[in-house]
Amino acid sequence: EAEVAQSPRYKITEKSQAVAFWCDPISGHATLYWYRQILGQGPELLVQFQDESVVDDSQLPKDRFSAERLKGVDSTLKIQPAELGDSAMYLCASSLEGEKLFFGSGTQLSVL
Amino acid sequence: KNEVEQSPQNLTAQEGEFITINCSYSVGISALHWLQQHPGGGIVSLFMLSSGKKKHGRLIATINIQEKHSSLHITASHPRDSAVYICAVSSPGTYKYIFGTGTRLKVLA
Repeated sequence: EAEVAQSPRYKITEKSQAVAFWCDPISGHATLYWYRQILGQGPELLVQFQDESVVDDSQLPKDRFSAERLKGVDSTLKIQPAELGDSAMYLCASSLEGEKLFFGSGTQLSVL
Repeated sequence: KNEVEQSPQNLTAQEGEFITINCSYSVGISALHWLQQHPGGGIVSLFMLSSGKKKHGRLIATINIQEKHSSLHITASHPRDSAVYICAVSSPGTYKYIFGTGTRLKVLA
């Protein structure tokens, strides 16, 4: 079965450093999501893309976070500078419009 | 008040027990999703429901649209069912998903 690819699986960084996460959705999935999940909570939407366009980034801390999906396929989420409170699981997911949601394995970020 | 509420938050069961996890929502939806998350992060979609009932192996999901309520049942539970079960709803037209906080299930051998 096709999968959503994410890398890296784990990332340890020091505060004030830059960090980037990559996601390759299932082929043909126009909708791509980046979520942040803190232990014990449900995923929180950071940004939603429809093809290469941002549909919703209202919860994205834009002073330090950026996301792009230049060709409407794979996507990158960047944090610069990282802060201690950014430690969390970052999940990428994709779907065909409103259909079943497919998640990548996530990137566990630790900011020291 | 959260738009998607799950109960219980934590559940411990003995192997073989019948388990029910509940989800209530307060918004209009196009579908309700049940997801499973094992320790280590990966989330897997179990069911997508817009009406009625679905069954996959030992898992059964039901939804009552009028009451805005869904249940996930696990029959003959097994330790490998230990995971966090998350209810999510998708909003009509926007393809947005709203997630519950999850139910942490532990099945003891």
